[in-house]
Amino acid sequence: QVQLQESGPGLVKPSETLSLTCTVSGDSIRSYYWSWIRQPPGKGLEWIGNIYYSGSTNETPSLKSRVTISVDTSKNQFSLRLNSVTAADTAVYYCARGSVYGMDAWGQGTTVTVSS
Amino acid sequence: DIQMTQSPSSVSASVGDRVTITCRASQAFGNWLAWYQQKPGKAPKLLIYAASSLQSGVPSRFSGSGSGTDFTLTISSLQPEDFATYYCQQANSFPLTFGGGTKVEIK
Repeated sequence: QVQLQESGPGLVKPSETLSLTCTVSGDSIRSYYWSWIRQPPGKGLEWIGNIYYSGSTNETPSLKSRVTISVDTSKNQFSLRLNSVTAADTAVYYCARGSVYGMDAWGQGTTVTVSS
Repeated sequence: DIQMTQSPSSVSASVGDRVTITCRASQAFGNWLAWYQQKPGKAPKLLIYAASSLQSGVPSRFSGSGSGTDFTLTISSLQPEDFATYYCQQANSFPLTFGGGTKVEIK
């Protein structure tokens, strides 16, 4: 059974870079695609972007200039970097496994707060 | 980008009620539409994929229908554990997009 686990700092200062890693177990990262999704407090879900094992990525246009998604197939991990963060980037960040059949496996989520 | 609009944004219902949630896309696509259930403090859970296929382990009281621009999630007989927020998501093209959510509350 596939499991995903997000890790990274829970507090980031404004203008700095948010960095998160998702570790995948129970499945090879060479299958499916792997997404980052976030949810600001009390709000809905926002897809950030995804990556294939080849390194090919897609990002949501509103965040594309600030987002970098990378993959480490040797560690079965993929990562998110979001630079120049502001308070508006405060959210629960999820990683998930996806395909045209939807996102069928999710991490538990990690809360990231942007504050000085 | 395909924009997804859900309605209603919230619904009050009783145990045993039939509940219908709709999702409308800003442009037509096939049937690569997924529905999720999210409970407070938890990650979303996939209920329906490809508009009408039930994810393994999901109770049969959940069903989905539609294609093109209009999609529906139906809960045939609401159970206490179904009180949650539901989201649609188009999986047809990037960027992937979610609807705004529908909160199903206890009447």
